[in-house]
Amino acid sequence: AQRVTQPEKLLSVFKGAPVELKCNYSYSGSPELFWYVQYSRQRLQLLLRHISRESIKGFTADLNKGETSFHLKKPFAQEEDSAMYYCALSGRDSSGSARQLTFGSGTQLTVLP
Amino acid sequence: DTGVSQNPRHKITKRGQNVTFRCDPISEHNRLYWYRQTLGQGPEFLTYFQNEAQLEKSRLLSDRFSAERPKGSFSTLEIQRTEQGDSAMYLCASSLVPTTTGFSALAYEQYFGPGTRLTVT
Repeated sequence: AQRVTQPEKLLSVFKGAPVELKCNYSYSGSPELFWYVQYSRQRLQLLLRHISRESIKGFTADLNKGETSFHLKKPFAQEEDSAMYYCALSGRDSSGSARQLTFGSGTQLTVLP
Repeated sequence: DTGVSQNPRHKITKRGQNVTFRCDPISEHNRLYWYRQTLGQGPEFLTYFQNEAQLEKSRLLSDRFSAERPKGSFSTLEIQRTEQGDSAMYLCASSLVPTTTGFSALAYEQYFGPGTRLTVT
């Protein structure tokens, strides 16, 4: 079974401060990990994935298989980063094709001025 | 707008009634997913299609839930004999999944629609 845990429902930081949104996962194989973001009144959209190892909007996330974590980090938070963030895991079926996403319960980030 | 679309955006129904939601994926995408999201939770996977084939439906919440994608394009999700516990946001997503080897993993990104909010009174 696959599971994603985001321990913080709410997180508030001041503008310019570093931010870290925690994500831990449980999966027996090699997972693909993603961060999705939902801004107010907008649809869910992909922020970044561990495979591409790229930085989007200043956010980065490193997959730590030993700690089964995929924490999202940004060194200097901006007010426009305020949103709901979901960590998600995609396992692979026997054909090697990625299957559905399993989401965490989300963390609402508020960046204060 | 060439993204995933869902209709209706809101649906209010009385307990016991049947409802049907529609999802139109991005046109070239071969895979389509349905999720349910309740308040304070992340999206929960329900079922998915590759073209017209429903590859996983064991996660549908009960036999009152069914989904179709008859021509491999749009999909419908039907809930029969609705209950108050069915009240939620129903999300659709689509993706382009490789059918040959050597494809970039970037093909697996799921693009979400705006959702249909169901309220059962």
